[in-house]
Amino acid sequence: GAGVSQTPSNKVTEKGKYVELRCDPISGHTALYWYRQSLGQGPEFLIYFQGTGAADDSGLPNDRFFAVRPEGSVSTLKIQRTERGDSAVYLCASSLARGSIAFFGQGTRLTVV
Amino acid sequence: EDKVVQSPLSLVVHEGDTVTLNCSYEVTNFRSLLWYKQEKKAPTFLFMLTSSGIEKKSGRLSSILDKKELFSILNITATQTGDSAIYLCAVVESNSGYALNFGKGTSLLVTP
Repeated sequence: GAGVSQTPSNKVTEKGKYVELRCDPISGHTALYWYRQSLGQGPEFLIYFQGTGAADDSGLPNDRFFAVRPEGSVSTLKIQRTERGDSAVYLCASSLARGSIAFFGQGTRLTVV
Repeated sequence: EDKVVQSPLSLVVHEGDTVTLNCSYEVTNFRSLLWYKQEKKAPTFLFMLTSSGIEKKSGRLSSILDKKELFSILNITATQTGDSAIYLCAVVESNSGYALNFGKGTSLLVTP
């Protein structure tokens, strides 16, 4: 596609539920990143994929968070047993290669009630 | 402790004014500094800076990096209401080469 696409744009879920957030990167971009942005803060790094593998998941806050990229293109961020503190905008970015300029999607605003 | 500090946190100007946004950083192994403009949710890329003293320019926007004093500035001349946004500065360290360390951003409002 022309840009990074994220779905859904907004997601409201109840505390304790499971959610999946989807990211479709720019075609041909091998590197994919997830960031989380809380209100009034800059985005914080969560995880980096090079191809199909998670090369760096050091930013994932705990084991309720997991992400996959099975075919080296679309990625899904999965959050189990959601908590109110998980409410944030989840941003996905992709780049042509590791270290190239990252281009961001529109983000998913997750609200846990 | 924040690695990237932006100032001011918010700014209100009139159309036509010139603004200067600041970004200071403190990282061990600097690789690059990037500026993004965030409207609504999506950050859009503006500039990437790796060398000191070389101005990057795009229309009314320009940016420069000082690696000795560890800061960058983003200038916007003849501001327009469409420049209203949050401007994010991010630094990449050499040991990762990809992870963006963002500041909190500067919220700019340009009034007619």
